[in-house]
Amino acid sequence: GDSVTQMEGPVTLSEEAFLTINCTYTATGYPSLFWYVQYPGEGLQLLLKATKADDKGSNKGFEATYRKETTSFHLEKGSVQVSDSAVYFCALSNVSGSEKLVFGKGTKLTVNP
Amino acid sequence: GAVVSQHPSWVICKSGTSVKIECRSLDFQATTMFWYRQFPKQSLMLMATSNEGSKATYEQGVEKDKFLINHASLTLSTLTVTSAHPEDSSFYICSARDVQGYQPQHFGDGTRLSIL
Repeated sequence: GDSVTQMEGPVTLSEEAFLTINCTYTATGYPSLFWYVQYPGEGLQLLLKATKADDKGSNKGFEATYRKETTSFHLEKGSVQVSDSAVYFCALSNVSGSEKLVFGKGTKLTVNP
Repeated sequence: GAVVSQHPSWVICKSGTSVKIECRSLDFQATTMFWYRQFPKQSLMLMATSNEGSKATYEQGVEKDKFLINHASLTLSTLTVTSAHPEDSSFYICSARDVQGYQPQHFGDGTRLSIL
């Protein structure tokens, strides 16, 4: 079945450091890919998405490019802030399936001042 | 826009009690809502897909009689944890999908359930 593999955390960075969180997926067909962010004690917020190969999703300085050849959707940010501290989830939804979201295990990011 | 409200945000109750959690889409209509369970420091596990006007579709291993789902209108789905026990303690999150769109799902802020 469909699955998402995310790099294990936790990740701890200093403010203004470069961030990469790796995400790879396994799916039949042509899934849509997402990054969600969860702040402590809250639900999930959509951070960015890409619906087809070579699409780049971007939001709040975060970017991720849908790479079909490597089945990847790595999250990057050039300069992280303390307020970026949260748990980040990579997810996919398969159009040919039931539209359910399949999540990775999440990566906790802590940014220190 | 696209706000999903979940209530209550936190509930503590005694073992054997039934607990109802509400999920409302405030500014859009949702034919489909999803219920997830999240264990500490783990990912979200889909429990069931709630369809307006019809029975919910449960994921394998989820007890239908334990977790009752009702989706009576285009803006409201409820999850009732019946005869809750300490092992049911968890963070429950709902999401909703706009009838006019495919994705993304919009998530509520979650309900922390603690059974004593």
